[in-house]
Amino acid sequence: QSVLTQPPSVSEAPRQRVTISCSGSSSNIGNNAVNWYQQFPGKAPKLLIYYDDLLPSGVSDRFSGSKSGTSASLAISGLQSEDEADYYCAAWDDSLNGPVFGGGTKLTVL
Amino acid sequence: QVQLQESGPGLVKPSQTLSLTCTVSGGSISSGFYYWSWIRQPAGKGLEFIGRMYTRGSNNYNPSLKSRVTISIDTSKNQFSLKLSSVTAADTAVYYCARDVSLGRLDVWGQGTTVTVSS
Repeated sequence: QSVLTQPPSVSEAPRQRVTISCSGSSSNIGNNAVNWYQQFPGKAPKLLIYYDDLLPSGVSDRFSGSKSGTSASLAISGLQSEDEADYYCAAWDDSLNGPVFGGGTKLTVL
Repeated sequence: QVQLQESGPGLVKPSQTLSLTCTVSGGSISSGFYYWSWIRQPAGKGLEFIGRMYTRGSNNYNPSLKSRVTISIDTSKNQFSLKLSSVTAADTAVYYCARDVSLGRLDVWGQGTTVTVSS
């Protein structure tokens, strides 16, 4: 049972836009920055978005993040087959005194 | 650029202690203001924070694992380590080491190492 709630899967056609939601509480998303990670099968997660909406160097600007209250979203525009991966949201939790993660969302590009 | 590499036994017997090491290359583990973290992921499941340590001594552990976890840093070897005692099958997972830039922002990850708890 993950602390942050994400849909298990989303799917969309190539060149379209998809959003992945992430719901938390006042002790995590509501009070701290949200980070997003991308993970391919058998690989380590990769930081995709940090501080809610900032992109690390080298990450495509097709990815964007947003946050409102205790929820956050990851949007991917111009979907490509190479975007098929698992996506995890994460945020520092003041009660746990550590990062908490969503259960992950599997993106399928139809 | 900094790279991380986990190492340690891939098979641990129940009730024994799991021991893993993460070697930092491309930079000093003592430079900057980073926490050095351990994260695990059971097969087909999500990510779980185990704990993290700062080179100047402070640490955070997941309360659900705190009684069994020890994280330490060896600056002379540019390594940090994880010990998880009294393991059970529930501790079977891929274990990742990672660098925490700020409040859980994990910007560098090791490739992960699979640990199976089985007799």
